[in-house]
Amino acid sequence: QKEVEQDPGPLSVPEGAIVSLNCTYSNSAFQYFMWYRQYSRKGPELLMYTYSSGNKEDGRFTAQVDKSSKYISLFIRDSQPSDSATYLCAMTPYSSASKIIFGSGTRLSIRP
Amino acid sequence: GAGVSQSPSNKVTEKGKDVELRCDPISGHTALYWYRQSLGQGLEFLIYFQGNSAPDKSGLPSDRFSAERTGGSVSTLTIQRTQQEDSAVYLCASSAARRGFEETQYFGPGTRLLVL
Repeated sequence: QKEVEQDPGPLSVPEGAIVSLNCTYSNSAFQYFMWYRQYSRKGPELLMYTYSSGNKEDGRFTAQVDKSSKYISLFIRDSQPSDSATYLCAMTPYSSASKIIFGSGTRLSIRP
Repeated sequence: GAGVSQSPSNKVTEKGKDVELRCDPISGHTALYWYRQSLGQGLEFLIYFQGNSAPDKSGLPSDRFSAERTGGSVSTLTIQRTQQEDSAVYLCASSAARRGFEETQYFGPGTRLLVL
């Protein structure tokens, strides 16, 4: 079993819809949780990170962590075609980039 | 401004050959990371350089893989005696500070390696 599980998709939704992307994990020691966005043939870019449980909002994006269920989510409101990309969750027990475990990514397509 | 650059963008090689992949980090960034991304897989950590400290090589999958960082800037990832399972996108990232991931990692576009 992988430490981090993420549905690969693809997920296709109409423009303006609310998108929910999710990951589950097995290591209860994970404390830092991140979401990256990766456009085709580009490197990933960090969207958001949160520490421990709770919600964090940044514009149209909301990251949610439920440590009791070992479940994290990224919500995208008012989705735009430019949001079409692969979204990777990532997490680590440490404040150290060398120990980050990434999910396999969910491909998201927003239909105009 | 210039971001992280990687070369070559694509590399096709024959099984058993050695390959060198280059990463030019953002100027002034002290931390440099190499990752591997295989089809349908997440990013797999390979190696981490921070300033003049000894690199964290804990992610290198075998002794065929090695990396250097010269002058605290450019890095080269070398894969010796390539195997078909080495086919992947190799991503390099750099960041500015010593606090690990809390400082944003900036990724390059990657080198797509295909071993025939």
